Amino acid sequence: LAKTTQPISMDSYEGQEVNITCSHNNIATNDYITWYQQFPSQGPRFIIQGYKTKVTNEVASLFIPADRKSSTLSLPRVSLSDTAVYYCLVGEHGGSQGNLIFGKGTKLSVKP
Amino acid sequence: EAQVTQNPRYLITVTGKKLTVTCSQNMNHEYMSWYRQDPGLGLRQIYYSMNVEVTDKGDVPEGYKVSRKEKRNFPLILESPSPNQTSLYFCASSLSGGLGVGDEQYFGPGTRLTVT
Repeated sequence: LAKTTQPISMDSYEGQEVNITCSHNNIATNDYITWYQQFPSQGPRFIIQGYKTKVTNEVASLFIPADRKSSTLSLPRVSLSDTAVYYCLVGEHGGSQGNLIFGKGTKLSVKP
Repeated sequence: EAQVTQNPRYLITVTGKKLTVTCSQNMNHEYMSWYRQDPGLGLRQIYYSMNVEVTDKGDVPEGYKVSRKEKRNFPLILESPSPNQTSLYFCASSLSGGLGVGDEQYFGPGTRLTVT
């Protein structure tokens, strides 16, 4: 499980695009990058996953540069309901990690 | 509906009184895990189970026990709760406990435990 570093907190306003960057300098060849979202008093939920370049779904986009040493979660036109903690995890596809480390994540606060 | 259920959702107890928090999943997942969440400390793993009869310690296992006798159930046991175990607890399950494609974690709704 690669060590990850992400900002502790970020502030934004409704309607803005938010980009949260995660550093993972020791990412291995077989590792995938996965992001989870956690609303207050709820369990985290999977939002997006990628290996390289760009992945987009109905919730977010994930940008991964060629060296894969970082990744950026992009939330377009955020609303108040996007206020949550976002976790970046990096680990091997097909591997059984077991000991998963979510850490503190990035607390995003969206203001009106 | 695919889900992870936990019971109870809220519990207030006293120091030293044994308690069990149940966790059940209906997705036939091999992997199950328990986390605790405290302000400023993030989400920390207590125990995990790769499959039936196989469990292992996470980052903060002291004061907790688990058992995995059936695939669907993974109860968390506090033999002698103490105030420092006051926390929000989450159970989770996934196919194999990895971080690859299709192996996302599904979390329960949480159990808020207060030990006085």
